[in-house]
Amino acid sequence: DGGITQSPKYLFRKEGQNVTLSCEQNLNHDAMYWYRQDPGQGLRLIYYSQIVNDFQKGDIAEGYSVSREKKESFPLTVTSAQKNPTAFYLCASSPGTSGTQETQYFGPGTRLLVL
Amino acid sequence: DQQVKQNSPSLSVQEGRISILNCDYTNSMFDYFLWYKKYPAEGPTFLISISSIKDKNEDGRFTVFLNKSAKHLSLHIVPSQPGDSAVYFCANRGSKTSYDKVIFGPGTSLSVIP
Repeated sequence: DGGITQSPKYLFRKEGQNVTLSCEQNLNHDAMYWYRQDPGQGLRLIYYSQIVNDFQKGDIAEGYSVSREKKESFPLTVTSAQKNPTAFYLCASSPGTSGTQETQYFGPGTRLLVL
Repeated sequence: DQQVKQNSPSLSVQEGRISILNCDYTNSMFDYFLWYKKYPAEGPTFLISISSIKDKNEDGRFTVFLNKSAKHLSLHIVPSQPGDSAVYFCANRGSKTSYDKVIFGPGTSLSVIP
């Protein structure tokens, strides 16, 4: 059963704490992405990775870090520098070819709440 | 600055009638648009797309229309069903590749009333 999994579904962060959100895909996709959704706003790109061991900042990368050591995995760390981390975080992947018909496939999301 | 706007935050439609969701864009880098559907606490799922070489794309009950001169696109759902109740995001791809600069609109919440 191919797809994208994200864990945990809910995550609580204390002040000054770093937390890591997991994203795994078994679709053999080269490209992976992290988005953040806030109420009344569209999805905003945090980071993306086109291939293993490479990643690029998106529009709102400050306070976040990522790694891409394996093709299947693209974890996102929300650091203590992120002052407003409460949001719904979505991971996505795509084949990574240059075809115009390519779309992104999304995981179920992780809701991060600050205690 | 590339922007995607969905000016109606919500829409209510009677079951069996047509739902029309609108999207406007500015400064598109690449005329390729996608619609995603999102249920609460789930990730968005791809619904339908359209590129600049077409002005209409149809898939079952879903049809997307693109008016390039007006920088406007719309998603028509007919007939609307209660299971269509979700948030619909319009998105514009900023380049030919899927990564980098996919700009999402804020979404329109559709409620289909039985």
